Amino acid sequence: DAGVIQSPRHEVTEMGQEVTLRCKPISGHNSLFWYRQTMMRGLELLIYFNNNVPIDDSGMPEDRFSAKMPNASFSTLKIQPSEPRDSAVYFCASSYRLAGGPGNYEQYFGPGTRLTVT
Amino acid sequence: DQQVKQNSPSLSVQEGRISILNCDYTNSMFDYFLWYKKYPAEGPTFLISISSIKDKNEDGRFTVFLNKSAKHLSLHIVPSQPGDSAVYFCAAKDDNQGGKLIFGQGTELSVKP
Repeated sequence: DAGVIQSPRHEVTEMGQEVTLRCKPISGHNSLFWYRQTMMRGLELLIYFNNNVPIDDSGMPEDRFSAKMPNASFSTLKIQPSEPRDSAVYFCASSYRLAGGPGNYEQYFGPGTRLTVT
Repeated sequence: DQQVKQNSPSLSVQEGRISILNCDYTNSMFDYFLWYKKYPAEGPTFLISISSIKDKNEDGRFTVFLNKSAKHLSLHIVPSQPGDSAVYFCAAKDDNQGGKLIFGQGTELSVKP
């Protein structure tokens, strides 16, 4: 199993540019999560999907952030326009949740994308 | 509003000694707790968990203790090894919040040989 795959691993961009982060979850998993890691707040959940449907996007900082999951094997997180304060490590994670079952337990994380906005 | 807090950003321990990492939470509806370990340039990996109906769970050198009345959990590593040096995140789950995990800020553990 390849695990959760994220690309790119590193992204350096200038303020105002559009940034797209990509994630391929573990095959068979039906929940996908986007997190942002900062020193002050640790791992913040931005948004999560269940069966490709966004369930909770309350963690998305503002309208500049958007996420999509067009199918079970791919998701994107887009920042447009990017700002220096968006610099962080962004993680994607996936898990399997039984329909009507309890909430997600163990989540499997990708290696992260380190974003630097200058 | 941090529902899960790890108040110690770092901890240094001698090899062979016990490492104790602490975590406090504010939401009494949390029903499941997890610890994740993160090495540099890698994503967090699951380490150990505990249900709110228990007060202790042990897995080899790792033991998690839960004190519901104090809303506190801790991770004990005995004996500590240099390979345990990493950032440790505690996380809590609340099905009333859609079952998502709420993470703390992390504690960086350094085990000195």
